[in-house]
Order: sequence, then structure tokens, then C-alpha cells
Amino acid sequence: GDSVTQMEGPVTLSEEAFLTINCTYTATGYPSLFWYVQYPGEGLQLLLKATKADDKGSNKGFEATYRKETTSFHLEKGSVQVSDSAVYFCALDSGAGSYQLTFGKGTKLSVIP
Amino acid sequence: NAGVTQTPKFQVLKTGQSMTLQCAQDMNHEYMSWYRQDPGMGLRLIHYSVGAGITDQGEVPNGYNVSRSTTEDFPLRLLSAAPSQTSVYFCASSFLRTGGGYGYTFGSGTRLTVV
Repeated sequence: GDSVTQMEGPVTLSEEAFLTINCTYTATGYPSLFWYVQYPGEGLQLLLKATKADDKGSNKGFEATYRKETTSFHLEKGSVQVSDSAVYFCALDSGAGSYQLTFGKGTKLSVIP
Repeated sequence: NAGVTQTPKFQVLKTGQSMTLQCAQDMNHEYMSWYRQDPGMGLRLIHYSVGAGITDQGEVPNGYNVSRSTTEDFPLRLLSAAPSQTSVYFCASSFLRTGGGYGYTFGSGTRLTVV
């Protein structure tokens, strides 16, 4: 079945540091890939997505590129802020007829001033 | 505001009690689903529905029932609550985008504690 593996946390960075959160996946067919963010005490928000190979999703300074050859969708940001402190989830849906998400376990990011 | 509405936001149950978590969406989405979120486990699919009158099991269905009598509502029933069902529950609706791929809208969650 489908699966998503993302780097274990927690991750602690200083403000303005570079962020990478690794995500790899296993799926049949042609999955769409997503990053969701959960701020403390809140629900899930879509951060960015990509629906086909080589697509780059971007939002709020975050980027991720759909790499089919390495089955990866790593999340990056060039300069993190304290307000980026949250839990980040990588997820996929396996395409046609799926309409359900398979999630990674989440990576907690803490950014310190 | 259009979206997915979950009630209640917080609930404490005693072991063996039953309750229903409510989920409603006003976007006319065909597909709805329930997930539970546990520390270090991500979100796992409990049940899902592809339309009114049609439901199916996800990864962790035991101890939960669902029904879908209307497009808008997708309640999740706990038949006899157990401490292992202490979790945060998210309802989601999804739709097929005209440009391809699916869009997902999540509710704000219900935090359930079973004592």
C-alpha cells in the first residue's frame, strides 16, 4: 500500500536558518503530493502541493519539488521565522479514484530567536 | 463561511460511554472522511464516504461507525468508548479539481479524552 516517510523530529533551528524536512513516498500510479502545517492548538492547513513529476509547489517562502526519480518531496525554506514553529506533515493521495490522504508521522519544528 | 464544521471541539467521556462526533460541510463535496491524529503517528484514516449512502472502512475502523444519509453530514459514532480512542479527530471533505488532482478541506478537529 501507499506510505509516506518523513524525517523524525523534533527539529530546532535558529531564526533565519535554512530548513529542510525530508519526505519520501511509496505509491502506485501517479500520486499528488502535499505538505500540511499544523500550528499549536489548531487544525491542518494546506501549505503547498504538486500534482505531477517536476512540479514545484510554493507558498509563504516554502518550496517542495516533486521528484519521481527519487520518490521525494522535500520541504525547504531559506530563512525560517519564529512564526514557522509548527508540525509539518507530508502526505499523498494515490491519484484517480483515491480522494483520501496518506500522511507521514509529522515533523515538529521549533524556531528560536 | 464555507467549509467543514466539526462539533464538539472538546469532549471527555468515561469508558463504555457512546457519543457521536458531528461533521458537516456546505461545499457540496462528494467525498468525506474521518482521520484520527495520535502523537508520533500522523493522521490515520478511520472511515470514508464517496457519496450519500456509501461508506467504507479505512486503516483503523474498529470501534467506530459511520453513516452518510445526506451529502452534507458525515457523523462518526463511538459505540463504547475506550481509553485507546483518546485522540484528536479530523473530518475532511474532498473534491476532484477541474485541472486534475484532488482538493481537501479539513475541519478544526475534535479533541476527545476517554477516562
